[in-house]
Amino acid sequence: DTEVTQTPKHLVMGMTNKKSLKCEQHMGHRAMYWYKQKAKKPPELMFVYSYEKLSINESVPSRFSPECPNSSLLNLHLHALQPEDSALYLCASSLRGLAGDTQYFGPGTRLTVL
Amino acid sequence: DQQVKQNSPSLSVQEGRISILNCDYTNSMFDYFLWYKKYPAEGPTFLISISSIKDKNEDGRFTVFLNKSAKHLSLHIVPSQPGDSAVYFCAASEGLRTGANNLFFGTGTRLTVIP
Repeated sequence: DTEVTQTPKHLVMGMTNKKSLKCEQHMGHRAMYWYKQKAKKPPELMFVYSYEKLSINESVPSRFSPECPNSSLLNLHLHALQPEDSALYLCASSLRGLAGDTQYFGPGTRLTVL
Repeated sequence: DQQVKQNSPSLSVQEGRISILNCDYTNSMFDYFLWYKKYPAEGPTFLISISSIKDKNEDGRFTVFLNKSAKHLSLHIVPSQPGDSAVYFCAASEGLRTGANNLFFGTGTRLTVIP
């Protein structure tokens, strides 16, 4: 099983809402990633969890709050988002988070903030 | 500032011919390079990689070439097949030096293989 699943596929939320994105993998990977991809732009790294600990936070605003409850699950909690946060949010996982580990991506959650 | 650039947003190739996708980078500390393929409504799928100690890596129909002095890499697909039609992303990292696995992506090239 080389699949990374993400739910929901689409999400529309208002600026005052609180919502969560979910990512799951069952490949035994110990590193998980959140990327943000805006239209016609490349994916940009937001967070990296390695062995359930946050190892990289690429200066992401606090209205995005990641959580890694266990090695298979990664959540992204959203609160008080802005319309410019509308984007495709991609989750990925890799074996250990070391250089050269292949990152496996999920299909993404397309988020629209009204 | 975009550290990885794919200057051709699209490319069309006849089935059976060679597809050449290009990628340039500005950060000389990058030491690991990858190509990902993306179909609509799916996440990027890893295709092939190369470390900076090599100048060529081949896997079946796919070959990646790295020219460190020009800070340029290319992906060759031979022969091209209609199923290869997708968006191709080039990515790079400093991972072999730093140990971190941050990937910097290019903007992608949409390849269309015409039957």
